[in-house]
Amino acid sequence: AQRVTQPEKLLSVFKGAPVELKCNYSYSGSPELFWYVQYSRQRLQLLLRHISRESIKGFTADLNKGETSFHLKKPFAQEEDSAMYYCALSGHSGGYQKVTFGTGTKLQVIP
Amino acid sequence: DAGITQSPRYKITETGRQVTLMCHQTWSHSYMFWYRQDLGHGLRLIYYSAAADITDKGEVPDGYVVSRSKTENFPLTLESATRSQTSVYFCAISRDEASPLHFGNGTRLTVT
Repeated sequence: AQRVTQPEKLLSVFKGAPVELKCNYSYSGSPELFWYVQYSRQRLQLLLRHISRESIKGFTADLNKGETSFHLKKPFAQEEDSAMYYCALSGHSGGYQKVTFGTGTKLQVIP
Repeated sequence: DAGITQSPRYKITETGRQVTLMCHQTWSHSYMFWYRQDLGHGLRLIYYSAAADITDKGEVPDGYVVSRSKTENFPLTLESATRSQTSVYFCAISRDEASPLHFGNGTRLTVT
């Protein structure tokens, strides 16, 4: 079974402060991990994925297989980063792709 | 970008009624998914489909029915709506097993 855990429902930080959104996963194989973001009144969209190892909007995430974590980080938070963030794992179930999401973390950046 | 369209955007229905939420894609992606989004639960997978005529249950399939006779459409039917099915429903598509999901705008369903 695959599982994604985001322990924080709400994370409030001041503008300019570092941000770390936590994500831990459980999966027996090699996972494909993603971060999705949902800005107010918009659809969910991909923020980044672990295999691309790129930085999007200043955010990075490193897959740590030893700790089974994929935390999302940004050194200096901006007000426009306020949104709902979801960690997701894509794995195989019965031969097909299955994508499981965490419960989400609401990031609130205080001006 | 269009690519994936959900309808209706908002729906109010009564307990016991049958409701169908539509999801249409123009990209011919193989995979289609239905999720519900609830406070405290995040996104939970209801059903998914790997291709036309191939569907499988997710985490919370009870009370829902899906079909996929054509690649581009993946309707979700609530056979007899209950208040606990009040939620925001998202359809998503992906090209293949390694690709990220593209989401629709969602349908906000209220069951009274």
